[in-house]
Amino acid sequence: SQQGEEDPQALSIQEGENATMNCSYKTSINNLQWYRQNSGRGLVHLILIRSNEREKHSGRLRVTLDTSKKSSSLLITASRAADTASYFCATDAGGAQKLVFGQGTRLTINP
Amino acid sequence: NAGVTQTPKFQVLKTGQSMTLQCAQDMNHNSMYWYRQDPGMGLRLIYYSASEGTTDKGEVPNGYNVSRLNKREFSLRLESAAPSQTSVYFCASILGQGVAETQYFGPGTRLLVL
Repeated sequence: SQQGEEDPQALSIQEGENATMNCSYKTSINNLQWYRQNSGRGLVHLILIRSNEREKHSGRLRVTLDTSKKSSSLLITASRAADTASYFCATDAGGAQKLVFGQGTRLTINP
Repeated sequence: NAGVTQTPKFQVLKTGQSMTLQCAQDMNHNSMYWYRQDPGMGLRLIYYSASEGTTDKGEVPNGYNVSRLNKREFSLRLESAAPSQTSVYFCASILGQGVAETQYFGPGTRLLVL
């Protein structure tokens, strides 16, 4: 079963705008990761946030984690056409050696 | 470094045929994973290998077998392909054995079973 559920399933914005994607999960976790997948390619790791962290930044990416609400958000600021991709959250809810992925948010940046 | 490589890139099979998907990594990683990705379903874990010589089932292991040939290589075998196995298959690896680490993914193998 899918542990993480991303919201929205699809998002289309204009270049330069900010994009926010959300991920909810059901059970306690130790860490949560975000990955990007360009069309026809493998997944690329973006950022990992641990359960004792509330916010983390990496370049134009900002990730928050609210363990009380069992949710995380990924914010991409000043979006670019190259940010067009699917974004997945993944948690360690499957156990210490297994990641469980959500269904993804498909982000389209319009020029 | 090539990272994680997968062969073939694309394959068409007839129902009942068998095939092996190959995966290799040159990063000296300990753990390797096989996932399948279906439209709108995200990635689902088929099998994983936490270290050379060990393999364990994931969420959807039925119809598949794996072999951790050595530290570098982890193959996935379909003994008798079924149309339900039409999917994109991804191999991934991590340095350690816990998932509080970055997973590195291969480019995927697109499999069509007729």
